[in-house]
Amino acid sequence: GESVGLHLPTLSVQEGDNSIINCAYSNSASDYFIWYKQESGKGPQFIIDIRSNMDKRQGQRVTVLLNKTVKHLSLQIAATQPGDSAVYFCAESSGGYNKLIFGAGTRLAVHP
Amino acid sequence: KAGVTQTPRYLIKTRGQQVTLSCSPISGHRSVSWYQQTPGQGLQFLFEYFSETQRNKGNFPGRFSGRQFSNSRSEMNVSTLELGDSALYLCASSERQGEKLFFGSGTQLSVL
Repeated sequence: GESVGLHLPTLSVQEGDNSIINCAYSNSASDYFIWYKQESGKGPQFIIDIRSNMDKRQGQRVTVLLNKTVKHLSLQIAATQPGDSAVYFCAESSGGYNKLIFGAGTRLAVHP
Repeated sequence: KAGVTQTPRYLIKTRGQQVTLSCSPISGHRSVSWYQQTPGQGLQFLFEYFSETQRNKGNFPGRFSGRQFSNSRSEMNVSTLELGDSALYLCASSERQGEKLFFGSGTQLSVL
């Protein structure tokens, strides 16, 4: 759905733990999904993407899971570090266009 | 490669004025998209350009316009500024449509 929300949900984790950030998307026709990390004062930074013909994709310390049946996307971060503290956004698009629909975002707070 | 470059970084305008924001995409990237980010509405798609043609447009009034030049650089213009136009304006580029988008740091526009 459209990005909304002034108050972001926060996920607090201990350094070294694994983090899982969840996202529900609304458009069943969406065929491309992407995760971004945004730190204060910066633009969104690409983390990982996945197309609808896959259900899992791994990167360096990150894994994205896609469940099309329930329209759910998740980002798993292994061995979370203080530098991972940021706001994380999921985004979806369809039809090969760059019109991304962003989720509201989740703030990840990593405590030493 | 240099990243997406946006100028200026900060801008202060008064109601009724107009503003032009500039974006230089990553070298070799031909698709440029613009997004507006506010605390209340989150990240919202403005428009997308590819090969100097607007390919997609978001739900913003006609006061918001853009263009892309032959070297893929892009500008967006907002006329008759309103207080609600205060936001972080983000530019993103990709090699082709439907590919991963890389964002710049944005232009923070304040309308007084």
